[in-house]
Amino acid sequence: EAGVVQSPRYKIIEKKQPVAFWCNPISGHNTLYWYLQNLGQGPELLIRYENEEAVDDSQLPKDRFSAERLKGVDSTLKIQPAELGDSAVYLCASSLGPHGELFFGEGSRLTVL
Amino acid sequence: AQSVTQLGSHVSVSEGALVLLRCNYSSSVPPYLFWYVQYPNQGLQLLLKYTTGATLVKGINGFEAEFKKSETSFHLTKPSAHMSDAAEYFCAVTKLNKLVFGAGTILRVKS
Repeated sequence: EAGVVQSPRYKIIEKKQPVAFWCNPISGHNTLYWYLQNLGQGPELLIRYENEEAVDDSQLPKDRFSAERLKGVDSTLKIQPAELGDSAVYLCASSLGPHGELFFGEGSRLTVL
Repeated sequence: AQSVTQLGSHVSVSEGALVLLRCNYSSSVPPYLFWYVQYPNQGLQLLLKYTTGATLVKGINGFEAEFKKSETSFHLTKPSAHMSDAAEYFCAVTKLNKLVFGAGTILRVKS
């Protein structure tokens, strides 16, 4: 069974440029999460989806970050424009439901120059 | 208010020695507690979890953790470290239906 797939694995951009990350969750997992992991810190939740509905986006900086999960399967996380402080690993995870075990992708490492 | 505190950002043990990674939590309700492991350039993998019932929880790769309510702790142990255990370990607790992670502890295993 395929795990959570994320792309790209690595991205280097200059500040003020846009960037997008894609996540394909495990088949049948209705709940999808985007986490931000700064160097030396634990992951922090950015947004949680139940199917196509964003049920918790309280930690998503909405001035520059956006996310979508249009058909309740794949999801995209976008940053526009990127800032130096956005350099981090963006992790996607999925679970069968809101109380199920989280399965994480390998992450997308962003470097903003 | 910090929900999870991991004592020691780096822990170094010799191969074959006991592994002890410390985690303390703060929660006003009975918590669900987790330990995750992250190998270099990989995603997080669940090691074990405590929800209800037996306070000593066994996980994968020979790890176990004990929930101690009186000490608000959930320390992770393994009797004998192996080189393959070198990784970063995260303790996590559910809070308001969210999974909140500690800052992580990097485990180094010396040969």
